[in-house]
Amino acid sequence: GAVVSQHPSWVICKSGTSVKIECRSLDFQATTMFWYRQFPKQSLMLMATSNEGSKATYEQGVEKDKFLINHASLTLSTLTVTSAHPEDSSFYICSASSLARPLDGYTFGSGTRLTVV
Amino acid sequence: GENVEQHPSTLSVQEGDSAVIKCTYSDSASNYFPWYKQELGKRPQLIIDIRSNVGEKKDQRIAVTLNKTAKHFSLHITETQPEDSAVYFCASGTGTASKLTFGTGTRLQVTL
Repeated sequence: GAVVSQHPSWVICKSGTSVKIECRSLDFQATTMFWYRQFPKQSLMLMATSNEGSKATYEQGVEKDKFLINHASLTLSTLTVTSAHPEDSSFYICSASSLARPLDGYTFGSGTRLTVV
Repeated sequence: GENVEQHPSTLSVQEGDSAVIKCTYSDSASNYFPWYKQELGKRPQLIIDIRSNVGEKKDQRIAVTLNKTAKHFSLHITETQPEDSAVYFCASGTGTASKLTFGTGTRLQVTL
């Protein structure tokens, strides 16, 4: 089945630094990548949607200059949290879909637990 | 935008009993309704989904029903087992290239 590899699985960084999270689709072409954030005991909140080769579409309230998304290829999308602060500590998870496989739905990465100290 | 409400937020059942979780959605264009099970610190796992051209779908102990007129869908788990304990999320979308909107989640606890 479809697999999305997400790295790192956890990261601790100092306040003010930047962190990059990668999601790779291993056996299919991810035409669309979704990035979610999940705070403890809460639901998944969509941050942005990116289509390969296009600029990401950000949800209301999500700072595009803080959360940089790159989807330069059909197998790789990255989320960079710039100038991270403790309030950015959360579980970040990607989800990929493919127009070529519409019935496969969405494939989630394993998530990245970010802790900013 | 789409709004998905999910109830109850917590549910405790005895092993062997049934569990029902309900969701309502607002966007009449939504046509894809997946259910996910998430264990602590893990990715959501798709357990069943339904598309708007059917009203019910079953997979062993798990079933989902959809009422498009009323804009609600439900997850039914029969003969619950302790390993069913997790957080369950409903979601809705309008196609695989579109975003999913998640419900607020239901923490299911199956007790012995």
